[in-house]
Amino acid sequence: GNSVTQMEGPVTLSEEAFLTINCTYTATGYPSLFWYVQYPGEGLQLLLKATKADDKGSNKGFEATYRKETTSFHLEKGSVQVSDSAVYFCALPLYNQGGKLIFGQGTELSVKP
Amino acid sequence: DGGITQSPKYLFRKEGQNVTLSCEQNLNHDAMYWYRQDPGQGLRLIYYSQIVNDFQKGDIAEGYSVSREKKESFPLTVTSAQKNPTAFYLCASSTHTGGSASPLHFGNGTRLTVT
Repeated sequence: GNSVTQMEGPVTLSEEAFLTINCTYTATGYPSLFWYVQYPGEGLQLLLKATKADDKGSNKGFEATYRKETTSFHLEKGSVQVSDSAVYFCALPLYNQGGKLIFGQGTELSVKP
Repeated sequence: DGGITQSPKYLFRKEGQNVTLSCEQNLNHDAMYWYRQDPGQGLRLIYYSQIVNDFQKGDIAEGYSVSREKKESFPLTVTSAQKNPTAFYLCASSTHTGGSASPLHFGNGTRLTVT
């Protein structure tokens, strides 16, 4: 079946450190892939997306490349800020089930000054 | 500005009472969704609706009910049959049309506490 697996958190980094959050997926075909971010007490916001293999999604300094050969969509940022502290979710849509999203477990990131 | 409004932000109820969570969107989206979020378990789908007057069960529909009488509104009722109702509930919508890669837009959630 379809599934998404994320690296476990929490991840604690110092400001300006390099960030990688791993995400791998199992799916039929080649679906789009999303990264969402959730700040404390809020809903989820779309951070970036990729719609086909080798696509690179990017936003606010974050990047993720859709790797078909490794079924991965790892999130990266070259220099994190305290304001990036949040929970990050990798997600996979199911088109034949009303477009619902399957989410990874979420990875909590804490950035210290 | 268009968006999704969930109300209230915090809700407290006694065990055995039904409670209804509100979700309204002005994005003109056809599809709407309810997710439940628990610590360490990510998000799980409760119900979804692709069109007015139609909805389908998600992965954890037991103890919940929904209605979709208007395109803009998708209220969720947490019934007394739901064994562990305390959670953070998120409503979302999308322009999903079956084959497109439409991202979901989320509300800010309702935190329900049942004692």
